[in-house]
Amino acid sequence: QVQLVESGGGVVQPGRSLRLSCAASGFTFNSYDMHWVRQAPGKGLEWVAVISFDGSNKDYVDSVKGRFTISRDNSKNTLYLQINSLRAEDTAIYYCAKDPGLRGSSWYYFKHWGQGTLVTVSS
Amino acid sequence: EIVLTQSPGTLSLSPGERATLSCRASQSVTSTYLAWYQQKPGQAPRLLIYGASTRDTGIPDRFSGSGSGTDFTLTISRLEPEDFAIYYCQQYGSSSPTFGGGTKVEIK
Repeated sequence: QVQLVESGGGVVQPGRSLRLSCAASGFTFNSYDMHWVRQAPGKGLEWVAVISFDGSNKDYVDSVKGRFTISRDNSKNTLYLQINSLRAEDTAIYYCAKDPGLRGSSWYYFKHWGQGTLVTVSS
Repeated sequence: EIVLTQSPGTLSLSPGERATLSCRASQSVTSTYLAWYQQKPGQAPRLLIYGASTRDTGIPDRFSGSGSGTDFTLTISRLEPEDFAIYYCQQYGSSSPTFGGGTKVEIK
């Protein structure tokens, strides 16, 4: 079955950087677009970024453009999120999620989610 | 950006009662590209409904979705104890998907 396991979260000082990872298994990773979605403590959900199945296309929510970079290594079945210049408002659980569409037919809704990794930005 | 407003913020009901949750969009949602999720404390969201009315695999038929344009509804026909949770709607008809603020269904 589909399994997504995030890692890399932790407590980080404002202005520093962090790279989150999401290890995927149970499906053909290089055939699906992948997303990051975040949730601030006690708050709602916010879509953050998407990367196409082959890594050729990426998109971000406006609030993170220029600071966040989504990438993937299909040889390792792993999704990444590089977060630079961390701010207090980036404090959240970061989930990776699989798009249900196959090879470019992206849908942008989320059937499979990881358990999330918590990023806390604090001095 | 399409803003989704969910109401009510909290719904206090008893097991066996019917729950009606609303999701209103600031502009028309393309082709009923509207999904509903359930989230319990400490867990990732769970997809219930996509395409406004299609239940995901394994979702009980007491959950139903309806609506189009700017007004959507999630109905739980008879609440089971495991249904008390937070529910989010999400639109995916625009290039930047957005979520509603959530409705908490709590035990009365």
